[in-house]
Amino acid sequence: EVQLVQSGAEVKKPGESLKISCKGSGYRFTTYWIAWVRQIPGKGLEWMGIIYPDDSDARYSPSFQGQVSISVDTSIDTAYLQWSSLKASDTAMYYCAREGVDAYKFDYWGQGTLVTVSS
Amino acid sequence: QSVLTQPPSVSGAPGQTVTISCTGSSSNIGAGFGVHWYQQLPGTAPKLLIFSNNSRPSGVPDRFSGSKSGTSASLAITGLQAEDEADYYCQSYDSSLSGSRVFGGGTKLTVL
Repeated sequence: EVQLVQSGAEVKKPGESLKISCKGSGYRFTTYWIAWVRQIPGKGLEWMGIIYPDDSDARYSPSFQGQVSISVDTSIDTAYLQWSSLKASDTAMYYCAREGVDAYKFDYWGQGTLVTVSS
Repeated sequence: QSVLTQPPSVSGAPGQTVTISCTGSSSNIGAGFGVHWYQQLPGTAPKLLIFSNNSRPSGVPDRFSGSKSGTSASLAITGLQAEDEADYYCQSYDSSLSGSRVFGGGTKLTVL
């Protein structure tokens, strides 16, 4: 059974750094792209970026380029989303999702990680 | 503003049919890239509902169907049920935005 399990909720202060994770299981992790999607409370889904675990090729939405970093550790089948300096506007639910083999569809999703940034 | 445009809300009574539109452009839907639809029930992660314009993943009822024409796509839900009340998002790929996957702004379906 394909599963993406994300790390737990985080509460951080502005300016702090953060790395959240997404662990894949039930499939060959290295051969499927993993995307990150932001959802601000009460708002829609925003595609942030995507990474191919086999070679760590990462692509970013222009809206998030330079704001976050996406990485992987293939030894533990885990993808990461990282901030070096959080802002209050980063408060949101973050989902990871597996991209299927064709057509750029997201066929499996993690349960989400709620990040709250507040002083 | 989202690259793909959806109506903010639609509604219908149980048993009725509703459709949700998704309008794109020549760099995404009109370029031939597939349109996918996701259902997000309150407090849960999105779930793939329709992929590649009109295909259903295993387990999705045939009350849900998709279509595509030109630069637009639609999701139809027939025989509305109370449990269909959710947010629905379309998604595709945009060739003008450096490998960007793009979402619609989402549509809230209310079952009256």
